[in-house]
Amino acid sequence: AQSVAQPEDQVKVAEGNPLTVKCTYSVSGNPYLFWYVQYPNRGLQFLLKYITGDNLVKGSYGFEAEFNKSQTSFHLKKPSALVSDSALYFCAVRSFAGTASKLTFGTGTRLQVTL
Amino acid sequence: AAGVIQSPRHLIKEKRETATLKCYPIPRHDTVYWYQQGPGQDPQFLISFYEKMQSDKGSIPDRFSAQQFSDYHSELNMSSLELGDSALYFCASSSGLAGGMNNEQFFGPGTRLTVL
Repeated sequence: AQSVAQPEDQVKVAEGNPLTVKCTYSVSGNPYLFWYVQYPNRGLQFLLKYITGDNLVKGSYGFEAEFNKSQTSFHLKKPSALVSDSALYFCAVRSFAGTASKLTFGTGTRLQVTL
Repeated sequence: AAGVIQSPRHLIKEKRETATLKCYPIPRHDTVYWYQQGPGQDPQFLISFYEKMQSDKGSIPDRFSAQQFSDYHSELNMSSLELGDSALYFCASSSGLAGGMNNEQFFGPGTRLTVL
């Protein structure tokens, strides 16, 4: 079964500092990995994905993620955090079954960016 | 750009009542997914439809049923509601078959169901 793990429930960083939100995966076959962000009382917003190709994936709002096959990781990063980045971040892996696919999410990491 | 629309946004029901949640996918998206997110939990996949046929089934209780209509909108029907059904229910849509690897899922704002 495909799964992802987010080892940190919460990450705190000061505005302007780099941030990293960790994610490790366990899949059979090629991984299809995603990051989503959830703001309070809002839906999930797609940030970026890794399907194949370059290990460094760039996404929305200045976020990027580094795919590391040897460490089975897909950490989310941003060079300079903003207070407005404070939200709940989910790593997800796609699995295929039948004629569609589903996402399996990690438990989420709450990012808090302080002034 | 048009997004996934869910209605209602909030719903309050009593135990043992029924509820119907609706999802309108992004235009030209033919695949719809339903997820349930309990308080403080990650979203859990319930069920999906492609071209009006059920394509995958996750941890959906037998009390729940869903379908996708000819206009591609979907409805999640929930009967004999229990307190534990209180959650945020997300609908997501995408286009193409599972083999469309670049087709990420776009999520709606969710319906918050409270069962009293």
